[in-house]
Amino acid sequence: DTEVTQTPKHLVMGMTNKKSLKCEQHMGHRAMYWYKQKAKKPPELMFVYSYEKLSINESVPSRFSPECPNSSLLNLHLHALQPEDSALYLCASSPGGFPGGNYNEQFFGPGTRLTVL
Amino acid sequence: AQSVTQLDSQVPVFEEAPVELRCNYSSSVSVYLFWYVQYPNQGLQLLLKYLSGSTLVESINGFEAEFNKSQTSFHLRKPSVHISDTAEYFCAASDSGAGSYQLTFGKGTKLSVIP
Repeated sequence: DTEVTQTPKHLVMGMTNKKSLKCEQHMGHRAMYWYKQKAKKPPELMFVYSYEKLSINESVPSRFSPECPNSSLLNLHLHALQPEDSALYLCASSPGGFPGGNYNEQFFGPGTRLTVL
Repeated sequence: AQSVTQLDSQVPVFEEAPVELRCNYSSSVSVYLFWYVQYPNQGLQLLLKYLSGSTLVESINGFEAEFNKSQTSFHLRKPSVHISDTAEYFCAASDSGAGSYQLTFGKGTKLSVIP
């Protein structure tokens, strides 16, 4: 299996809802990432997990809560989002963890298109 | 950390014509370079990468890019484009040191192939 999968593909939620995005990879990668991408912009890094531990939080609001239950799975829990949070949410993974591992390319999933009403 | 500049936000080109998408990076330290392609309503797909070795790298669908250290560039080229190449193209860079996680993206170039 050489791909990153994300579910759901599309999600519409109200500002009071709680929902979760799911990302899975079975390539044995040690690092996993969440990105947010607005229309016509490059992806912006949100969180990085390395060896199942949160390594990087790029000052993301607490209404976004990441979770890494195991080495293959990454979740993003959403609560009390704002309409400006509507975007494409991309998950990625890379073979090496850090510190210590060598950086390698990131493999991206297809994304979840989130709309907040 | 790197910074990446994609000089053209949009590039229209006729089908079967050649194309060059330009990318420059900032840092003088060792660097890894990538081109990603994003088709409408899809995620990013890795098109090609430079990690070390030969400065000319090729993809399976006819694209190539050349790492030019003196000009800090990694331009993407294709000798003859197809309608299906219409997409957004992102150049990205990372420091090559162990433990470097950050992938810095350019702002993207929208390639539009005209029939």
